[in-house]
Amino acid sequence: DSGVTQTPKHLITATGQRVTLRCSPRSGDLSVYWYQQSLDQGLQFLIQYYNGEERAKGNILERFSAQQFPDLHSELNLSSLELGDSALYFCASSRQGASPIFGPGTRLTVL
Amino acid sequence: DQQVKQNSPSLSVQEGRISILNCDYTNSMFDYFLWYKKYPAEGPTFLISISSIKDKNEDGRFTVFLNKSAKHLSLHIVPSQPGDSAVYFCAASWDTGNQFYFGTGTSLTVIP
Repeated sequence: DSGVTQTPKHLITATGQRVTLRCSPRSGDLSVYWYQQSLDQGLQFLIQYYNGEERAKGNILERFSAQQFPDLHSELNLSSLELGDSALYFCASSRQGASPIFGPGTRLTVL
Repeated sequence: DQQVKQNSPSLSVQEGRISILNCDYTNSMFDYFLWYKKYPAEGPTFLISISSIKDKNEDGRFTVFLNKSAKHLSLHIVPSQPGDSAVYFCAASWDTGNQFYFGTGTSLTVIP
């Protein structure tokens, strides 16, 4: 158990729908990262938050948005879902100067 | 634009032999590098790191080598064990507090 929790573990939905993925970082970690892993692809960086503020943005689509709340948990919102959004979504957290620790991921299937 | 590349999608090695996984990067600003190991249906697990002030870091059976002039790093596993069979990702950043760029991974199979 890495200390980073993600819910739900699996999510099946239809095209055009909207879903929210949730991440609770390890205790004491202020940074939260979101990554997407599609089939046979590496880990694509989506976005990073640090203590509630957006710190860095990667290849995140406009249909996707995220936020980090005062209690440091984070949510990734995916809307107008397409078949190609089916992927594993990982959240990671870190403290300053340390390597990110990953959660178990949420598997999203869009039918 | 893939700033971190792992050009070998897969590697098979006999148990007890050395496994060498390679990673290349394009951004000369990167100064902190990580290796992660990933089993199916699990999140990546941190394995070992190296900063640009070093050219080698060792942790048990795992050693990471960094060649800054070639923008290349490698992970050596000696001796390889069947439990090492997993996908290995390298990652790079220009600061430990910034986002990490990941390669596409190399799937290692250690044959008993």
